[in-house]
Amino acid sequence: KAGVTQTPRYLIKTRGQQVTLSCSPISGHRSVSWYQQTPGQGLQFLFEYFSETQRNKGNFPGRFSGRQFSNSRSEMNVSTLELGDSALYLCASSFSLGSYGYTFGSGTRLTVV
Amino acid sequence: AQKVTQAQTEISVVEKEDVTLDCVYETRDTTYYLFWYKQPPSGELVFLIRRNSFDEQNEISGRYSWNFQKSTSSFNFTITASQVVDSAVYFCALSEDGGEGGSQGNLIFGKGTKLSVKP
Repeated sequence: KAGVTQTPRYLIKTRGQQVTLSCSPISGHRSVSWYQQTPGQGLQFLFEYFSETQRNKGNFPGRFSGRQFSNSRSEMNVSTLELGDSALYLCASSFSLGSYGYTFGSGTRLTVV
Repeated sequence: AQKVTQAQTEISVVEKEDVTLDCVYETRDTTYYLFWYKQPPSGELVFLIRRNSFDEQNEISGRYSWNFQKSTSSFNFTITASQVVDSAVYFCALSEDGGEGGSQGNLIFGKGTKLSVKP
């Protein structure tokens, strides 16, 4: 079965712009989590959605937001991009909250110039 | 506060050597979950193992083995007879109880250990 699909794979944006990243979970998975990975801070949790509701949120500014649709697909949005937002953004899905494990996508590499 | 420490930033070994990756965690929860993930250059995090806080049995899966010791808050990972394909960054992660026998989605990751296996 298809894995977690993240689009686009690479993205270059200008400082001040906004960006939307997409994540399609494994079919049947209802929980989607987002992570930011940078060389300095490592992997940091952004937020988790389950059944279209945000269940957990990490320590990121309000410029970072997300949503989940009825088909479990999720998007995250970053407004007013800063150079420090350059990172690999990873999405993970699981069947439910309280899950055995999380399957990650290959990520979206965002570069802010 | 929860924290995961992987003290080894980089390890380099020659093929067929055994290598142990260390992971030390901090949590006040009595129920928690520990994970190991592998990240090859392609970027995708590949799930290796999940262990809950009530199961201290060591586990072996082929060349991989894990040693969970609550007394020292450690969850170490050993690769026996390493191969070049094992070269990757390995992450240890911790999560709180999410109910229903599983973890929450907010995994707390260590900084990772970059393993290079040379032929």
